[in-house]
Amino acid sequence: SQTIHQWPATLVQPVGSPLSLECTVEGTSNPNLYWYRQAAGRGLQLLFYSIGIDQISSEVPQNLSASRPQDRQFILSSKKLLLSDSGFYLCAWSTSGRKNQPQHFGDGTRLSIL
Amino acid sequence: AQSVTQLGSHVSVSEGALVLLRCNYSSSVPPYLFWYVQYPNQGLQLLLKYTTGATLVKGINGFEAEFKKSETSFHLTKPSAHMSDAAEYLCAAQGAQKLVFGQGTRLTINP
Repeated sequence: SQTIHQWPATLVQPVGSPLSLECTVEGTSNPNLYWYRQAAGRGLQLLFYSIGIDQISSEVPQNLSASRPQDRQFILSSKKLLLSDSGFYLCAWSTSGRKNQPQHFGDGTRLSIL
Repeated sequence: AQSVTQLGSHVSVSEGALVLLRCNYSSSVPPYLFWYVQYPNQGLQLLLKYTTGATLVKGINGFEAEFKKSETSFHLTKPSAHMSDAAEYLCAAQGAQKLVFGQGTRLTINP
């Protein structure tokens, strides 16, 4: 069966520090991969999605970037964190090429910026 | 473009009462629709999905949803609420490359 792992579960970082959140999927190949952010009172915001290695789309201009160095690995990064980057970050995957398949989510990372 | 509206950001029901969470979508093509549940500080868990076929879809934890094309709705129901149902519920519709989510409804269960 397929599983998705996301870490760390919680992270406290100072303003201006770098960020790296990692997400890996097991049990499937060539998945679509997604990064979301949930900020208080703002719902679920799609940040990036990827349909393959080195194929990443950014949904909103921001202080973050994403990379997909391997088929089942998706990394969210920042060179310098802002206070506004605080939130709950979720990684998700779905089966590629099939629109009727749901997305499956990791357990999330709670990021607090001080 | 696809959009999803969840009526009521907060819904409160008594334990044992009917749960009804509303979701409307806008689309010019038949949609693929999903309901997710999110417990505090956890990821989203798929409750149920509608793709094609039967319009009444049964999911986990006793929830079900009915796809009504004429009303562009996909409301989530459960006959009898349990305390463990307290959570955030998100409705989503499949767009061109991604899911479009509603703003979510927080369900509170009163003892």
